[in-house]
Amino acid sequence: AQSVSQHNHHVILSEAASLELGCNYSYGGTVNLFWYVQYPGQHLQLLLKYFSGDPLVKGIKGFEAEFIKSKFSFNLRKPSVQWSDTAEYFCAVNAIGFQKLVFGTGTRLLVSP
Amino acid sequence: EAQVTQNPRYLITVTGKKLTVTCSQNMNHEYMSWYRQDPGLGLRQIYYSMNVEVTDKGDVPEGYKVSRKEKRNFPLILESPSPNQTSLYFCASSGRQGGDTIYFGEGSWLTVV
Repeated sequence: AQSVSQHNHHVILSEAASLELGCNYSYGGTVNLFWYVQYPGQHLQLLLKYFSGDPLVKGIKGFEAEFIKSKFSFNLRKPSVQWSDTAEYFCAVNAIGFQKLVFGTGTRLLVSP
Repeated sequence: EAQVTQNPRYLITVTGKKLTVTCSQNMNHEYMSWYRQDPGLGLRQIYYSMNVEVTDKGDVPEGYKVSRKEKRNFPLILESPSPNQTSLYFCASSGRQGGDTIYFGEGSWLTVV
């Protein structure tokens, strides 16, 4: 069965600090990968996605993620966070041929001004 | 504007009183699904539908029913709600599972007392 692990449950950063959130998945076949963000009281929004091609993908709001197939990882990065990035971040994986998106347990990011 | 609309957004109900959460999408998507979000557990799939009259169980289907009589609608039915179904529910749709961006509704906060 597929599973997704997000290593950090809570992250606290100061503004302008760099961010990296870890995501590892377990599935040996072809996958599509996603990062979603959920701002307080709001629904999920897509930050970025990887289907194929360049393993370094850029998303909205200055976020990027790198797919490293050998490590089964899809870590999210941002060089300089802002207070408005305070939110919960979810990594999700869809294994090709399976009819569902499997989510990690989420990482709560708090950015202090 | 592409939308997934859920109703109600907030509901407090009593144990055993049947309720339905509606979901409607305006993108002519074939694939729709329901998730519940609980602290520390991320999002877990309840049911999904690959097309009209085609539905299947996700990871946590117990206590829920769904139907897909029309392409645009995918209601979630709780025949006899229990307190452990208190959660935040999201409806989602996509053109095809795995190969397309998934759009989420704004969520429905359900409390069962």
